[in-house]
Amino acid sequence: GAVVSQHPSRVICKSGTSVKIECRSLDFQATTMFWYRQFPKQSLMLMATSNEGSKATYEQGVEKDKFLINHASLTLSTLTVTSAHPEDSSFYICSARNRGAYGYTFGSGTRLTVV
Amino acid sequence: GENVEQHPSTLSVQEGDSAVIKCTYSDSASNYFPWYKQELGKGPQLIIDIRSNVGEKKDQRIAVTLNKTAKHFSLHITETQPEDSAVYFCAAIYNQGGKLIFGQGTELSVKP
Repeated sequence: GAVVSQHPSRVICKSGTSVKIECRSLDFQATTMFWYRQFPKQSLMLMATSNEGSKATYEQGVEKDKFLINHASLTLSTLTVTSAHPEDSSFYICSARNRGAYGYTFGSGTRLTVV
Repeated sequence: GENVEQHPSTLSVQEGDSAVIKCTYSDSASNYFPWYKQELGKGPQLIIDIRSNVGEKKDQRIAVTLNKTAKHFSLHITETQPEDSAVYFCAAIYNQGGKLIFGQGTELSVKP
């Protein structure tokens, strides 16, 4: 079945530094990937839609200069949290859609803690 | 706008009983409705999905029903087991080929 690999699973960084999270579709090509953020006891909130070879589309209220998304190939999208602050601490999850299919496969998530 | 409402937020049942979780969506053009199970610290796992051309779908102890007219869909789990305990999310697709919007989640607890 479709597998999405997300790394790292956990990361702790200092305030003001940047962190990059990778999302890879291992056995299928993903023209579109999605990035979600989830705070404790809450739902997944869509941050942005990442399309291969073009600029990401951000949801309202999400700072595009803070959350940089790059979808350079059909199997890789990255999310970089720039100048991280403690309020950016959250669980970040990516999802990829198999080209031509309806299913969305999710990564295992990245727990970001900013100290 | 894009909105998926999910109820209840918490659900506690005895092992062997059934559990039902309900969701409503706002966009009549939505045509794909997946259900996910999320365990603590992990990403969501697809457990069942339904497309808008079908009214019901079943997979062993899990079933999903869809009422397009009323714009709601439900998850039914029969013969619940303690390992069914988790947070369940419904979702609906907006803009064909586009984004998946999630409901608020239901924390299901199955007591032995």
